[in-house]
Amino acid sequence: AQSVSQHNHHVILSEAASLELGCNYSYGGTVNLFWYVQYPGQHLQLLLKYFSGDPLVKGIKGFEAEFIKSKFSFNLRKPSVQWSDTAEYFCAVNANSGGYQKVTFGTGTKLQVIP
Amino acid sequence: SAVISQKPSRDICQRGTSLTIQCQVDSQVTMMFWYRQQPGQSLTLIATANQGSEATYESGFVIDKFPISRPNLTFSTLTVSNMSPEDSSIYLCSVPGGAVQETQYFGPGTRLLVL
Repeated sequence: AQSVSQHNHHVILSEAASLELGCNYSYGGTVNLFWYVQYPGQHLQLLLKYFSGDPLVKGIKGFEAEFIKSKFSFNLRKPSVQWSDTAEYFCAVNANSGGYQKVTFGTGTKLQVIP
Repeated sequence: SAVISQKPSRDICQRGTSLTIQCQVDSQVTMMFWYRQQPGQSLTLIATANQGSEATYESGFVIDKFPISRPNLTFSTLTVSNMSPEDSSIYLCSVPGGAVQETQYFGPGTRLLVL
């Protein structure tokens, strides 16, 4: 069975600081990887995804994530955070075997950006 | 993208009672998903609801506790039966989206507190 672990449960940063949120998954086959974000009072929404090709994927609002297959990791990064990035971030994985497969989510990381 | 609404947005219930949560999508979808997000934990899939067939429940979830209806391609309900304080959680519905149904669109969630 696939599983996802996020190492940081709560991160506090000052504006302009760099961000890296860790995500590791466990699954032996080919996977699709996602980062979802939930801003305060809003729906959970897709931030970025990796299916294949370039392991460095770029998402909305300046976020990017790098898939490192050898480390089973898909860390989320942003070079300079803003107060508006305060949100909860979820890493997720599903098995890439065609058609829809069950998505497994990590426990989430709450990011608080201080102005 | 799909727009999803849920009712109620929040509720406070007494133990032993039941609550039915509604999920409405603005487009026709074959699959709908129900998740639970307990405090400090990840999103956990409860069941997959396909129109015209019985819902498929994940390990640890049973139909008697979480009966689901899927009367048409835009609507579903999840009932939390015989509630206990352990059922206090956020309940979310979602639908697949994207070019190959690889991502998910989420509703705003229903925040349930059981006393």
